[in-house]
Amino acid sequence: DAGITQSPRHKVTETGTPVTLRCHQTENHRYMYWYRQDPGHGLRLIHYSYGVKDTDKGEVSDGYSVSRSKTEDFLLTLESATSSQTSVYFCAITAQATNYGYTFGSGTRLTVV
Amino acid sequence: DQQVKQNSPSLSVQEGRISILNCDYTNSMFDYFLWYKKYPAEGPTFLISISSIKDKNEDGRFTVFLNKSAKHLSLHIVPSQPGDSAVYFCAAGYNAGNNRKLIWGLGTSLAVNP
Repeated sequence: DAGITQSPRHKVTETGTPVTLRCHQTENHRYMYWYRQDPGHGLRLIHYSYGVKDTDKGEVSDGYSVSRSKTEDFLLTLESATSSQTSVYFCAITAQATNYGYTFGSGTRLTVV
Repeated sequence: DQQVKQNSPSLSVQEGRISILNCDYTNSMFDYFLWYKKYPAEGPTFLISISSIKDKNEDGRFTVFLNKSAKHLSLHIVPSQPGDSAVYFCAAGYNAGNNRKLIWGLGTSLAVNP
């Protein structure tokens, strides 16, 4: 397949707990993105990375942090999960910022109860 | 405020016929447009794109048309096949300072009936 995997695929967690989602790629692409998809909102960018240790905020970054200590892994952490963070989270990769033909992972469905 | 609008949440088409999915945008700074397809429980898959300097791009059964004066683009699928049944997202990109941004529509669910 495309060489991008997300883990876990499904998670249920309690309000107030920290949660970390992992995106792993084998394509050696420089750019990695975390999106969330919600009904009525489409896909919204949370954070992105343009290289190891280089990250920046997207449009809905509050309550989320990211880390990228090596090219292949991009971690998304919900510092203290809230019910509003119940969503489907997608990771995407691309080799160049000007190449919008992103490759997406299969998604993580997160439920915060 | 939606900068990229897909006004039809769903569309149903007979197999073999043409499917036309529409997308409108409001930001004149958009210079690149894309269509993605998404099946349930999978991530979106890039389908086709078009630069703002062009008005048409074709790839097999898929053609994207861009009308800049109307701020409108459309995706034509000819002929439609049952395997085309999916949610289609329109997205638009532009320069935002040192970054490139991609804005997504809400999607149109296409059902191709045998």
